[in-house]
Amino acid sequence: DTAVSQTPKYLVTQMGNDKSIKCEQNLGHDTMYWYKQDSKKFLKIMFSYNNKELIINETVPNRFSPKSPDKAHLNLHINSLELGDSAVYFCASSQEGDRAYGYTFGSGTRLTVV
Amino acid sequence: DQQVKQNSPSLSVQEGRISILNCDYTNSMFDYFLWYKKYPAEGPTFLISISSIKDKNEDGRFTVFLNKSAKHLSLHIVPSQPGDSAVYFCAASLGTYKYIFGTGTRLKVLA
Repeated sequence: DTAVSQTPKYLVTQMGNDKSIKCEQNLGHDTMYWYKQDSKKFLKIMFSYNNKELIINETVPNRFSPKSPDKAHLNLHINSLELGDSAVYFCASSQEGDRAYGYTFGSGTRLTVV
Repeated sequence: DQQVKQNSPSLSVQEGRISILNCDYTNSMFDYFLWYKKYPAEGPTFLISISSIKDKNEDGRFTVFLNKSAKHLSLHIVPSQPGDSAVYFCAASLGTYKYIFGTGTRLKVLA
């Protein structure tokens, strides 16, 4: 049983398209995140939601819009895709107060914009 | 501005020996540190953590040491096994919801 699942695993699309990545966690965690790993392997936080409320919104172009319909789901919609958006996007979850255990990550979505 | 740095991109160690992975940070306000392991095509998996009020935490073959005055932490793996070959990330936190990650060190354990 996958704890944090992301779909799709691979996504190849053309510049200018709009795409979505979905994330679901079955751990009962109350906080979910999107991280981006770029070509230099930096893992950078993009967004964080706690109980469906946006609590972290890093300097991310507003073409990226997260949506959390409930605390088990956090989706990422990207408008007008650009070449520089190519990266691996990781969803993660955690339980507030359980800092000793960090995040549980999904397996990632490799986005390639051509 | 890279607040968490892993200056060694790669490390090779013989099976059975100790692996030491290092991490430096710049912000003295970080209060929690974690290590993650990542295999190809998978997400990072949590290994071990340490609070800034401690200087050592141990879990089986894995020990994390924190030197606050030097703003340095290290992960020791003893004994190293071929299955430990992966990329290791350290991460530091300023609060509950945000961890800042290093760029990773690729560990190769040679059989």
